[in-house]
Amino acid sequence: KAGVTQTPRYLIKTRGQQVTLSCSPISGHRSVSWYQQTPGQGLQFLFEYFSETQRNKGNFPGRFSGRQFSNSRSEMNVSTLELGDSALYLCASSIETGYNEQFFGPGTRLTVL
Amino acid sequence: GQNIDQPTEMTATEGAIVQINCTYQTSGFNGLFWYQQHAGEAPTFLSYNVLDGLEEKGRFSSFLSRSKGYSYLLLKELQMKDSASYLCAVRPRGGSYIPTFGRGTSLIVHP
Repeated sequence: KAGVTQTPRYLIKTRGQQVTLSCSPISGHRSVSWYQQTPGQGLQFLFEYFSETQRNKGNFPGRFSGRQFSNSRSEMNVSTLELGDSALYLCASSIETGYNEQFFGPGTRLTVL
Repeated sequence: GQNIDQPTEMTATEGAIVQINCTYQTSGFNGLFWYQQHAGEAPTFLSYNVLDGLEEKGRFSSFLSRSKGYSYLLLKELQMKDSASYLCAVRPRGGSYIPTFGRGTSLIVHP
């Protein structure tokens, strides 16, 4: 069974631009969560989607948004990029919302110049 | 909210045993995760403890004391490939289920 895939793997943008990241969960998994990982803050929860609905949201500004499609694939968007948005963005899928075990994708490394 | 504390870095020798501690303060607790993350890779699930006590999975064991707000990950017969970051994460009781992660412990295994 294929794992969680994320595209692109690396991205370089400049301040003020916007970016869209994509995540394809493991087949049969319906919950997708997004996390931001930085050396200073560690792994921080952004949001969770289940059945095309945002179920939970972390403490991030409205510039961070996401959505989920009917095939459970998810995208997250960051608008008006800031230098501090440089991070590894990880997507994790699980069978159901609230399920114990999450499977992480390899991440998208975003660099904002 | 949750506050999670774990050491930033530890070093150990190949073949030895190492214990990585995690303490937490939380307003509501369901369980505690341990994840392993190699440099440049995604975190991988190691364990999820809900009840007090020790759970063993091969060379890795995880312990939880709910009353003390304390957990540890025990790695036996260390191998070079165990050099990685180990993340402790707490899942709250009820509500969102979303885990809060500690900043991770970087373990360096040397020959």
